[in-house]
Amino acid sequence: GAVVSQHPSWVICKSGTSVKIECRSLDFQATTMFWYRQFPKQSLMLMATSNEGSKATYEQGVEKDKFLINHASLTLSTLTVTSAHPEDSSFYICSARDGFQTSTEAFFGQGTRLTVV
Amino acid sequence: AQTVTQSQPEMSVQEAETVTLSCTYDTSENNYYLFWYKQPPSRQMILVIRQEAYKQQNATENRFSVNFQKAAKSFSLKISDSQLGDTAMYFCAFMIEWAGKSTFGDGTTLTVKP
Repeated sequence: GAVVSQHPSWVICKSGTSVKIECRSLDFQATTMFWYRQFPKQSLMLMATSNEGSKATYEQGVEKDKFLINHASLTLSTLTVTSAHPEDSSFYICSARDGFQTSTEAFFGQGTRLTVV
Repeated sequence: AQTVTQSQPEMSVQEAETVTLSCTYDTSENNYYLFWYKQPPSRQMILVIRQEAYKQQNATENRFSVNFQKAAKSFSLKISDSQLGDTAMYFCAFMIEWAGKSTFGDGTTLTVKP
């Protein structure tokens, strides 16, 4: 089956520093990847959609300069949280869709728990 | 814009019993997909079941089945013979066929009691 690997699973960083989260599709080519944010016991909120080789499309209210998304290849998308602050602490989840197949659903990574201290 | 509503924040069921989780949605689209995802304490999102809007037949996957009422924009999940491992948060999700991105409901926390 389709596997999406997200790394790291958890990370702690100091305020003001940047942290990068990777999302890899291991056995398919992900033409589109999605980045979500989830607070405890709440729903997944879509942050942005990234298409390979083009700029990401951000949802309303999401700061583009703070959450940098790069989708440079068909198997890798990265989310960089720049100048992180404690309020950025959250659970970040990526999902990837195989645009070359008829499969409709997106496959999820295992998520990254970010704690900013 | 699409909205997904799960009106039951928490539910519980006795082991081996049946439970139904509710979901309603709103859209003006004709071609879309609906999903139920399970998120256990590990927080890994697991696809439980999928329904194509153009199919009238309700989807089933072993102990999991849906009641899809397109006119009413309702998509409930029935779990039969509940097991302790079914304890998790369940999300209903909607996806426009061409868009690929999903809109999620607020989730229902299900506890299966021994």
